[in-house]
Amino acid sequence: GENVEQHPSTLSVQEGDSAVIKCTYSDSASNYFPWYKQELGKRPQLIIDIRSNVGEKKDQRIAVTLNKTAKHFSLHITETQPEDSAVYFCAASPDTGRRALTFGSGTRLQVQP
Amino acid sequence: SAVISQKPSRDICQRGTSLTIQCQVDSQVTMMFWYRQQPGQSLTLIATANQGSEATYESGFVIDKFPISRPNLTFSTLTVSNMSPEDSSIYLCSVPGGGSNTEAFFGQGTRLTVV
Repeated sequence: GENVEQHPSTLSVQEGDSAVIKCTYSDSASNYFPWYKQELGKRPQLIIDIRSNVGEKKDQRIAVTLNKTAKHFSLHITETQPEDSAVYFCAASPDTGRRALTFGSGTRLQVQP
Repeated sequence: SAVISQKPSRDICQRGTSLTIQCQVDSQVTMMFWYRQQPGQSLTLIATANQGSEATYESGFVIDKFPISRPNLTFSTLTVSNMSPEDSSIYLCSVPGGGSNTEAFFGQGTRLTVV
């Protein structure tokens, strides 16, 4: 089955700096890669996603890049703000069939004001 | 998008007892997923619940411990049986997006504490 590895486990940045979180996956059948933000006590919320036919996608301060050959994808947050502090999870799944998500281990991002 | 109502939102249970968690979706969905999130950990898939057939369990999860019902296309239950403190986790149900929408939607989660 799919295995998703995520690094780093914790990340502390100063407000206004950029943050980068990296993930690798193992199953070449995966072609959908979402990123979730989870605040304490809340459900995961989708912040951005990318499909394998796209190399990069951007939404305001958030961007995701995908290297399908190397089986890795990354989340980039620019101009970080204290409200970006949360746990971020990457995930992978096929976009057909069962479509269950396999999650990475999570990154706790702390943005220092 | 899909709206999922999950209950209870939290519970404290005695060891050896069982708890049934319910998820109601506002639209018909073929598949529903149940995840477990242990304290400070990631989400791990427990099983896939399909209407009209037995649930499919992931490695490490068994039907006797986590029986699942899926009586129709908008509802599912997960029971955590014969609980021990190690079962203390957040349990979440999820549905995939429909058609070309691949976004997954989550219930608000059930925070279970076993004492």
